[in-house]
This record gives sequence, C-alpha cells and structure tokens, in this order.
Amino acid sequence: VVLTQSPLSLPVTLGQPVYISCRSSQSLVSSTGNTFLNWFHHRPGQSPRRLIYNVFNRDSGVPDKFSGSGSRTDFTLRIDRVEADDVGIYYCMQHSHWPHTFGQGTRVEIK
Amino acid sequence: EVQLVDSGGGLVQPGGSLGLSCAVSGFAFRTNWMSWVRQAPGKGLECVASIVPDGRDTYYVDSVKGRFTISRDNARNLLYLQMNNLRAEDTAVYYCATSEGGFWGQGSLVTVSS
Repeated sequence: VVLTQSPLSLPVTLGQPVYISCRSSQSLVSSTGNTFLNWFHHRPGQSPRRLIYNVFNRDSGVPDKFSGSGSRTDFTLRIDRVEADDVGIYYCMQHSHWPHTFGQGTRVEIK
Repeated sequence: EVQLVDSGGGLVQPGGSLGLSCAVSGFAFRTNWMSWVRQAPGKGLECVASIVPDGRDTYYVDSVKGRFTISRDNARNLLYLQMNNLRAEDTAVYYCATSEGGFWGQGSLVTVSS
C-alpha cells in the first residue's frame, strides 16, 4: 500500500490552519471493517508521537486543534491555529495491510 | 509510566551483524503487536518488521527479508531485532514501537560503514 502525502512542504503563518492530505493506493478498510490510518508528528531528535488513530480518534493529551477525517483511500489531517510548537514532519501511516507503510512526510515550518 | 528502552545500536562493517533489544514496561506487552521502524538519514519512516502478540507470526519488508529476524520474550517484556548481512543502506535510527504507533522507544543508531 502506497501512501501519498501532499503537500510535502508547508510554510505557514502562525495562527493559520493547516491541511495535510494522505491518499492510499488501495482501500484501508481492513478485514475487520476498521480503517487503521494514523497520523504522527516527528520532531528532529525525538521519537514520533501519534496524534490521531483510526482516522479520527485523538490520542490522550493531544490538543483538539488536531483533527483527522476521511475514508477508504482519502484522508486529511487538520491543524487549527498553527503554533511554533507544531513545526516538524507529519506522517500518515496505515496498518490495515502488511507491510505497514508511512507516507513520505509533510514538513511544516513557520514563514 | 510507559517505557520502551532501545539498546544495541552501533557501528558495524558491511556484511556484519548486530542485535537490537527493546525493554518494555508500563503496558500489556504480551497482548500487543510490536514493530521495528527505522529512519535512514534524510529519509522518512519505514516499518521493517512486525510480530504478533504470541510471537508465532512475523512480517518483514522485502528489503530485509532473509537478513533480519524479529522476536520477543513475553515473560521478560523484551523485543529483539537480529540484523545479519548488513548493508550501507541499513544505516538508520531504529525504533521499537507498538505496531499501531501508540508507544515508541527512543531509538538506536545503527551505522553500517567500513
């Protein structure tokens, strides 16, 4: 399964919203009926942090300015009101099918 | 507190072997799928191997099949990755993680170079 993210680079103004797209080469609906599409934030020198699991569920401690949506092959991560702490690389990942795969990553930076 | 502590990284020559370990605490290790995920310099994340909770089934990305072996010891809450016949392109930071990505280790740097 190939996950294609866009854009790959995203210069943003503080306080503006951000939309990151993740498109899958095949449906991510698993044999159980669940859609295992997650979103991660990765800062240099740190371990990735999961933000969203199973398309739209926010992880504990993740601010509600992060939201996920989508179905089957098209998914979106939205970040409301970008702050300086949000810079880094955002990845989508699927574990509906083996091998589990990540998108190429979207680099978010402040203008 | 959930902790995954990776260890075993280092410098190895091409064709050599290296073993990674991950000590887990703070969650039900024995009921979770586990994976090793790597990030090569300047590249994105890649899941290279996964193992089911009871250890009976394992999965590998094509580039490491036949060279890497993932295993686990549920009695000791340990995850392993044995890497043989290493290549320069295996140079990366290797993370142990739950397969759905909820918990991650701090990463171990593996450098394959002569």
